[in-house]
Amino acid sequence: AQSVTQPDIHITVSEGASLELRCNYSYGATPYLFWYVQSPGQGLQLLLKYFSGDTLVQGIKGFEAEFKRSQSSFNLRKPSVHWSDAAEYFCAVGAPSYDKVIFGPGTSLSVIP
Amino acid sequence: DTAVSQTPKYLVTQMGNDKSIKCEQNLGHDTMYWYKQDSKKFLKIMFSYNNKELIINETVPNRFSPKSPDKAHLNLHINSLELGDSAVYFCASSDSGQAGTGELFFGEGSRLTVL
Repeated sequence: AQSVTQPDIHITVSEGASLELRCNYSYGATPYLFWYVQSPGQGLQLLLKYFSGDTLVQGIKGFEAEFKRSQSSFNLRKPSVHWSDAAEYFCAVGAPSYDKVIFGPGTSLSVIP
Repeated sequence: DTAVSQTPKYLVTQMGNDKSIKCEQNLGHDTMYWYKQDSKKFLKIMFSYNNKELIINETVPNRFSPKSPDKAHLNLHINSLELGDSAVYFCASSDSGQAGTGELFFGEGSRLTVL
């Protein structure tokens, strides 16, 4: 069965610093991987997704993520964080044979000015 | 033009009452979902519908009854509300013949508080 873990419940970074949010998944074949962002009081918005091909994927708002099959990871990165990036970030996994996408528990990001 | 819209955004009600949340999407998607987000932000799927047909029912109490009058609408009715039903309920849609692979478009959520 699919599962997703996000080891960091909460992360605080200074504005302008780099960011890496961790995501590990469990799935037998190549999964479909997603990162979503939830700003306070809002619904979730897709940042980026990986299906196949280049393991480094670019997303919106300057985010990128790298798929590493050997580590079963799909970590999200941003070189320089802005105060507006403070939000909840969810990693998710799906597959063609599945009828749903499974979400991780989320990582809450705080940004210090 | 809001892609996925939910109403109401907030509901405050007493235990034992019945309430409904409505959802509409104007994206032309075939599949719609209800997700529940608890106080720890954990997001769990409740139901999915594809072209008005129920696809997923994730062991949700039968006090919860979704209804899809057409593929653009998915409503959620909750009977005999309990304290544990307090949560944010998100409607979402996707344009994917395979629901496990598609991008989800979310509404802004409906925060239900049961007193």
